[in-house]
Amino acid sequence: DTEVTQTPKHLVMGMTNKKSLKCEQHMGHRAMYWYKQKAKKPPELMFVYSYEKLSINESVPSRFSPECPNSSLLNLHLHALQPEDSALYLCASSQEFHELAGGYNEQFFGPGTRLTVL
Amino acid sequence: QQPVQSPQAVILREGEDAVINCSSSKALYSVHWYRQKHGEAPVFLMILLKGGEQKGHDKISASFNEKKQQSSLYLTASQLSYSGTYFCGTEGGRTTTSGTYKYIFGTGTRLKVLA
Repeated sequence: DTEVTQTPKHLVMGMTNKKSLKCEQHMGHRAMYWYKQKAKKPPELMFVYSYEKLSINESVPSRFSPECPNSSLLNLHLHALQPEDSALYLCASSQEFHELAGGYNEQFFGPGTRLTVL
Repeated sequence: QQPVQSPQAVILREGEDAVINCSSSKALYSVHWYRQKHGEAPVFLMILLKGGEQKGHDKISASFNEKKQQSSLYLTASQLSYSGTYFCGTEGGRTTTSGTYKYIFGTGTRLKVLA
């Protein structure tokens, strides 16, 4: 199984709502990532988990809260979002992640969750 | 610190060749190439780990010039399936929080192949 799955595919939420995005992989990968992608822009790294520990939090506002319950699952909890947070949220996984230079392996991306904040 | 790609966009006829460049203002330790079709997830194409390295897969190949801090992706005899946005990816410097290297994608090149 070389697939990364994400649910839901689409999500519309109000600024006062609390929702969660879910990502799952069964490739035995030990690194998982969250990216945010705006239309016609490259994905931007938000979080990196390595062996279920948060390795990178790229100055992301606290209204985004990641969670890695086990090596196959990655969640992104959303609370009090702003309309400018509307974007495609991509999850990815790779075999491993190293904190040294050249430490990024091939990443496998999920199809993403298209989030709209009203 | 984001790598700059050129051209920004290119339109080809089937069978034509294209070159996409990725240039960085800082040292590159490795370069990855991805293709993202409209409405889909990015798909990994190849990784180049050291200067001078060249790789190829089918009719897509890439080179990595460490000294010039750039990489190029070569698409030969393009097919309709090559259409999409191509991104290079690399380390973009250390994060301000943990000090580890963050991953950053280049600005992207939109490629369209016409029949």
